[in-house]
Amino acid sequence: EPEVTQTPSHQVTQMGQEVILRCVPISNHLYFYWYRQILGQKVEFLVSFYNNEISEKSEIFDDQFSVERPDGSNFTLKIRSTKLEDSAMYFCASSEVATLWGTWNEQFFGPGTRLTVL
Amino acid sequence: KQEVTQIPAALSVPEGENLVLNCSFTDSAIYNLQWFRQDPGKGLTSLLLIQSSQREQTSGRLNASLDKSSGRSTLYIAASQPGDSATYLCVGANNAGNMLTFGGGTRLMVKP
Repeated sequence: EPEVTQTPSHQVTQMGQEVILRCVPISNHLYFYWYRQILGQKVEFLVSFYNNEISEKSEIFDDQFSVERPDGSNFTLKIRSTKLEDSAMYFCASSEVATLWGTWNEQFFGPGTRLTVL
Repeated sequence: KQEVTQIPAALSVPEGENLVLNCSFTDSAIYNLQWFRQDPGKGLTSLLLIQSSQREQTSGRLNASLDKSSGRSTLYIAASQPGDSATYLCVGANNAGNMLTFGGGTRLMVKP
C-alpha cells in the first residue's frame, strides 16, 4: 500500500542552524502539507502546497520557514535559523485531489521527523 | 476559526469494556471529521473519516458518529483490547480550505 515517507526520523541541530526535513508524498497525490506537534501539545497545521505554490499557511509559518518541491517526488520543509522552540515532531501529509466543491480529500500522514534543537 | 476539544483527556478501562470518546467542534461548516490513532512517539494512523453529509462510519470494532448541528462526534470502541491503548485524535477539516484542526486527544489505556 502506498505511503508517505519522511527522512530523517530524528534530526538534532544547534540553535541558529538551517535544517531541511524531507518527505516523499504518495506518488499520485497533488496536495502536500506540513504539520508540527510540540511535545505534549496538539498537532498544528503549518502549510499546504499545491501546483508549486503555497495554498494556505498558519501564523506559525513565518519567514523562517519555506517549502519546496525540488523534483517530482520530494517535498521539503526548510527552517532557516532554528530556535529552541522549533523542537517538535514534524509531520508531512499528502492528499489526492480536490472535489468539485474546492475541498480536499483525505490526507495521509508520514511517520514524522523528530527535530531537536540544542 | 475551528476549535476541536476532546473529553476525557485520559481514560483507563479494563479489557473487554465498551467505551466512548467524545469530541466537540465549534464550526458546524465542517467538511469532514476524522479520527486518528497515535502511538507514543509515532505517526498518525487514520481510523475513520466521516464526510459532512454522513452521520456515521464503522470499521471493525470502531464506530464514529457525526452530529454537525450539535458540533459533536463520538468514537465508540467495542470490546476493548490492550492493543487499543494509544492516543485518539479527533480532527476537523474546514469547508473553505484544506487545513486540519486537531483536538488535544484522549489517551486510552486498556488494562489486561
